[in-house]
Amino acid sequence: GAVVSQHPSWVICKSGTSVKIECRSLDFQATTMFWYRQFPKQSLMLMATSNEGSKATYEQGVEKDKFLINHASLTLSTLTVTSAHPEDSSFYICSARHRGTDTQYFGPGTRLTVL
Amino acid sequence: RKEVEQDPGPFNVPEGATVAFNCTYSNSASQSFFWYRQDCRKEPKLLMSVYSSGNEDGRFTAQLNRASQYISLLIRDSKLSDSATYLCVVSNFNKFYFGSGTKLNVKP
Repeated sequence: GAVVSQHPSWVICKSGTSVKIECRSLDFQATTMFWYRQFPKQSLMLMATSNEGSKATYEQGVEKDKFLINHASLTLSTLTVTSAHPEDSSFYICSARHRGTDTQYFGPGTRLTVL
Repeated sequence: RKEVEQDPGPFNVPEGATVAFNCTYSNSASQSFFWYRQDCRKEPKLLMSVYSSGNEDGRFTAQLNRASQYISLLIRDSKLSDSATYLCVVSNFNKFYFGSGTKLNVKP
């Protein structure tokens, strides 16, 4: 149980394009999903917290107009990187908090490379 | 001061050794504590939650010391497959704070 999927697992795109990443909790309801970014040899950095049916809460320094988050249902959240630039290349990981618990389960991550 | 601090390591130990990591946290109101492991270029995977009374799962033992605000992870009889980065996670209401991770290398 407690499986989280992410799609796509990797993507290469040209500078200026937008990329959408999906995060799904497959066998549980997730009232809260989190989006992280991790650069090589660095720790996870929380980008935003997404609650189902409401606007996401962004961490300081994360541009909400660049990283669009939608959490339309209890099992799906999406992150859209708009007008991607090479400096946005990173490992993007989502996690879902199991409803009624304090435990996060992570998706397998999406490796984004912007050329 | 960081919310959660860990020794980055690396800890280089031989197979079969016992190794322990500590993690300190700054917010005394923190409610939940976890250890995750992260393999290179993979997502973190939950290793175990940490309970006030301490808990054990096979070769892994986690303990919480609220008075000194630290949690620990003890790995007995290390295996090669235990090589990974171990992340300490502390939560307070809806906020989760990650340590930067402690790297463990288990060598033959």
